[in-house]
Amino acid sequence: EDKVVQSPLSLVVHEGDTVTLNCSYEVTNFRSLLWYKQEKKAPTFLFMLTSSGIEKKSGRLSSILDKKELSSILNITATQTGDSAIYLCAPKGDKIIFGKGTRLHILP
Amino acid sequence: EAQVTQNPRYLITVTGKKLTVTCSQNMNHEYMSWYRQDPGLGLRQIYYSMNVEVTDKGDVPEGYKVSRKEKRNFPLILESPSPNQTSLYFCASSFFSGGSGSPLHFGNGTRLTVT
Repeated sequence: EDKVVQSPLSLVVHEGDTVTLNCSYEVTNFRSLLWYKQEKKAPTFLFMLTSSGIEKKSGRLSSILDKKELSSILNITATQTGDSAIYLCAPKGDKIIFGKGTRLHILP
Repeated sequence: EAQVTQNPRYLITVTGKKLTVTCSQNMNHEYMSWYRQDPGLGLRQIYYSMNVEVTDKGDVPEGYKVSRKEKRNFPLILESPSPNQTSLYFCASSFFSGGSGSPLHFGNGTRLTVT
């Protein structure tokens, strides 16, 4: 059975801190791993990772995939209050399923 | 504009009254899926479809039906809604062909309340 586990489930940090969010997965016929940010609406796409060890960056956010360990991390440096959201990871195998998400709250 | 269109955005109904939530995409995606989102439980998959006339159960299919008669449309049907189906629903679509395909594109969501 496919499964996705994200950790931590919840995280509270101060503005300016760096955070690392984790995602581990077991899926059939893995193709890629997707990261999304969700505020009070539909999830918005952040990254699609297909190759191990190649970091993808977008501003203060970066992510990397480890296919050997069946995991991925999402890093956010110099956090801002606007980064407060739920972060979701979704491995794409024979279907696309989601972890429960990490709820990140940034204190000013 | 490439998009996934879900309707309605908000729906309040009573127990047992059949309803349909529509979903349409204009990106020629093979894969379409329905998710429900509840606090603390994340996005759980209800049904998905890999192509026309091909549908499969997700993790929480009980009480729901879907159909995929055309590639662009994937309606979600609740034959006899119950209060435990009160939730936020998302339709999404993606390319699956050509290796890793594309990211999942989401509709704006439907907030359903069953009283």
